[in-house]
Amino acid sequence: QVQLVESGGGVVQPGRSLRLSCAASGFTFSRYTMHWVRQAPGKGLEWVALISHDGNNKYYADSVKGRFTISRDNSENTVYLQMNSLRAEDTAVYFCAREPTGGLDAFDIWGQGTMVTVSS
Amino acid sequence: DIQMTQSPSSLSASVGDRVTITCRASQSISSYLNWYQQKPGKAPKLLIYAASSLQSGVPSRFSGSGSETDFTLTISSLQPEDFATYSCQQTYSTPYTFGQGTKLEIK
Repeated sequence: QVQLVESGGGVVQPGRSLRLSCAASGFTFSRYTMHWVRQAPGKGLEWVALISHDGNNKYYADSVKGRFTISRDNSENTVYLQMNSLRAEDTAVYFCAREPTGGLDAFDIWGQGTMVTVSS
Repeated sequence: DIQMTQSPSSLSASVGDRVTITCRASQSISSYLNWYQQKPGKAPKLLIYAASSLQSGVPSRFSGSGSETDFTLTISSLQPEDFATYSCQQTYSTPYTFGQGTKLEIK
């Protein structure tokens, strides 16, 4: 079935790095724009980054620009989020989500999320 | 950045009630407005896209309306499984901002 599964979360000290992965299955991954969205404990959803279906276009929230990098491997059906110089305010559940190209302009499938805790 | 403001932030209602949640954008976003439902510990679920289009598999008691800056999500007759948090999102321009969420609780 159509599925996104995140991994790579954990507890990390401020200033350190972490790489999240999101493995896709059940659909043609290379046809979809992919996003990362996060949710701090008890807070609302915050869009983090997107990567176009072919990897040529990337956009970031100002809060992570210059520290986070989104990438994808269409041969492995996986999207990544490299997070550097982590701060306490990056503590959140990180979701990946897909956006069909050419129509929906919405996130129709989401992963279950992976928790990132930045703490000394 | 486009700011999305939802009202109310929380709402108490009973099974069978008709409920409306409002979302306002800080500038015109045409119809690039989506609604999501989220239950505790779960991922968001797409309910409505393009302001008024019902996502496949979503019950017809959910409906959306609006354009430009003012949008509404209506649940015509609340069911027990509808008690959750609802968030609007604009996909008119990056960053794709969300509203702060509306928590719908059982009265």
